[in-house]
Amino acid sequence: EAQVTQNPRYLITVTGKKLTVTCSQNMNHEYMSWYRQDPGLGLRQIYYSMNVEVTDKGDVPEGYKVSRKEKRNFPLILESPSPNQTSLYFCASSLRRATNTEAFFGQGTRLTVV
Amino acid sequence: DQQVKQNSPSLSVQEGRISILNCDYTNSMFDYFLWYKKYPAEGPTFLISISSIKDKNEDGRFTVFLNKSAKHLSLHIVPSQPGDSAVYFCAARAMNSGYSTLTFGKGTMLLVSP
Repeated sequence: EAQVTQNPRYLITVTGKKLTVTCSQNMNHEYMSWYRQDPGLGLRQIYYSMNVEVTDKGDVPEGYKVSRKEKRNFPLILESPSPNQTSLYFCASSLRRATNTEAFFGQGTRLTVV
Repeated sequence: DQQVKQNSPSLSVQEGRISILNCDYTNSMFDYFLWYKKYPAEGPTFLISISSIKDKNEDGRFTVFLNKSAKHLSLHIVPSQPGDSAVYFCAARAMNSGYSTLTFGKGTMLLVSP
């Protein structure tokens, strides 16, 4: 089954404690990205990756890091989380070139930073 | 500057009637538009799309209309069903050096009452 898997689904952490949210896809997609969803703001892109070892900032990259060492994995790293990073996070993947650039989304990770 | 705008945060419709969700965009480089549906505690899922060279695309109860001159698209759901109650995101694609990026609107929450 084609899917994007995020872990964990829920996480409560304290300010400043480094954390990583993992994302893995099994569709051999080149393009992967991270979004955060906040009330009244919709989906905003944090970082994206066009292929292995190629990453770039999205609209709201501050406070986040990513890496793309393998095609299937695209972890999101918060080196020093702060309460304003409390949000619902989604990982997505899609083909690099496609007539229909449908993005497949993971189930989401609800992060609370206290 | 928000490039994809969904100006209605919510919409309430009775079962059996038509739901019309609207989306406006500002970037003339967008060449493909998509609608995603999101239920609580799940990731967004692709619903329907339309190329900028078309003005209408239909899939069952769902039809998307595109008015390029007005930079406006709309999603029609007819007849609406209670299971359609969800948040709907409009997204637009732009090609950048051979890769596509998606820009999302803030979403419209649709509530279909029995």
